Amino acid sequence: SYVLTQPPSVSVAPGKTARITCGGNNIGSKSVHWYQQKPGQAPVLVIYYDSDRPSGIPERFSGSNSGNTATLTISRVEAGDEADYYCQVWDSSSDSGVFGGGTKLTVL
Amino acid sequence: EVQLVESGGGLVQPGRSLRLSCAASGFTFDDYAMHWVRQAPGKGLEWVSGISWNSGSIGYADSVKGRFTISRDNAKNSLYLQMNSLRAEDTALYYCAKDIGPSLSQDNWFDPWGQGTLVTVSS
Repeated sequence: SYVLTQPPSVSVAPGKTARITCGGNNIGSKSVHWYQQKPGQAPVLVIYYDSDRPSGIPERFSGSNSGNTATLTISRVEAGDEADYYCQVWDSSSDSGVFGGGTKLTVL
Repeated sequence: EVQLVESGGGLVQPGRSLRLSCAASGFTFDDYAMHWVRQAPGKGLEWVSGISWNSGSIGYADSVKGRFTISRDNAKNSLYLQMNSLRAEDTALYYCAKDIGPSLSQDNWFDPWGQGTLVTVSS
């Protein structure tokens, strides 16, 4: 089955840029989606189709995907961005959803 | 406004069964595929199962295949998950999530999610 690998944690100072990676075999050939989950809350979609933002998601959130790595980039990080972030793809070979292990973003 | 409300969770003994429900509103239910995603306490997200708009295509995670059955009733705008032979490792918060399209394909993602229903498997 397809495996997505994320760093367990990323730390960043307020106002700086956070980059969260998601590794997978030839992930650039797949569509990658990103979710934000704050404590005690359900996940919220923040990026779909590698780099598109749903309405209501700040422009500070962006995404890219190439080769074996997809990246979620959060610019001008705010305290309110502190959360767990998950990448996700659909594995069409097994008709199943796949999530990365999640990355805890800490705002210093 | 799209709303997904899960119910049916609770404490159950290993080996027993439980049926989860998800009541959907605010959108045309039978236009979309639906999914169950779970999260064990303190752990990450795990996709459990998905079903296409007309139940013609269904998928399961290997961890639940043969034990769980997903279904939907479009007339009642409801999604279900029948969970049999429950194990301690099935203990998790179970989320219902709406797909962006009608089928299980290469571009499925989940938006929005319900608030979840907690399943605890313990003797």
